Amino acid sequence: DAKTTQPPSMDCAEGRAANLPCNHSTISGNEYVYWYRQIHSQGPQYIIHGLKNNETNEMASLIITEDRKSSTLILPHATLRDTAVYYCIVRVVRQGAQKLVFGQGTRLTINP
Amino acid sequence: GAGVSQSPSNKVTEKGKDVELRCDPISGHTALYWYRQSLGQGLEFLIYFQGNSAPDKSGLPSDRFSAERTGGSVSTLTIQRTQQEDSAVYLCASRPQAKGGYTFGSGTRLTVV
Repeated sequence: DAKTTQPPSMDCAEGRAANLPCNHSTISGNEYVYWYRQIHSQGPQYIIHGLKNNETNEMASLIITEDRKSSTLILPHATLRDTAVYYCIVRVVRQGAQKLVFGQGTRLTINP
Repeated sequence: GAGVSQSPSNKVTEKGKDVELRCDPISGHTALYWYRQSLGQGLEFLIYFQGNSAPDKSGLPSDRFSAERTGGSVSTLTIQRTQQEDSAVYLCASRPQAKGGYTFGSGTRLTVV
């Protein structure tokens, strides 16, 4: 019951900003949006999360639309090491339990 | 330790055998999750522990799968009578109670032959 839709793949030139879109039109008011990435053969790595305000940390920025039905992860200066599968996830809260429901993700390739 | 530790990192077992996978979460993290990732697929939720509450087992695919968490720390995922379709990477994640990101381990790659 993944609640997010992402493009299956994207390409970006090294040094440019990578903008990864995500649709979550059925998100509920108390559900957070999380972004993770997974580099081949490793466990997922936390990037950023937010509820309704835009967020920024040392890795990326998260822009959430006012209606919260979509968001964009921005990697400001992509490097080759940013090549990975990026997952946009809604943290589902059901009967007090919280869990991340993963979709298929976007395979981002950074090209030299 | 500094991160989530899982063991073994790789496990090859014969069809029909039982296996146990172990997860050591980050100290003090009250929430612990198990996920499964088949080759080329996204992560599939299996089970969730939060403190002393009853676990959320809604993702376990069959009654051959079970998990426990002793003393609110270490967790063991057990798969009985393994089948070839159980072959996957089994990932564990933990999270502080209040807020913050979920930290994943590197996973256990299970191969059933």
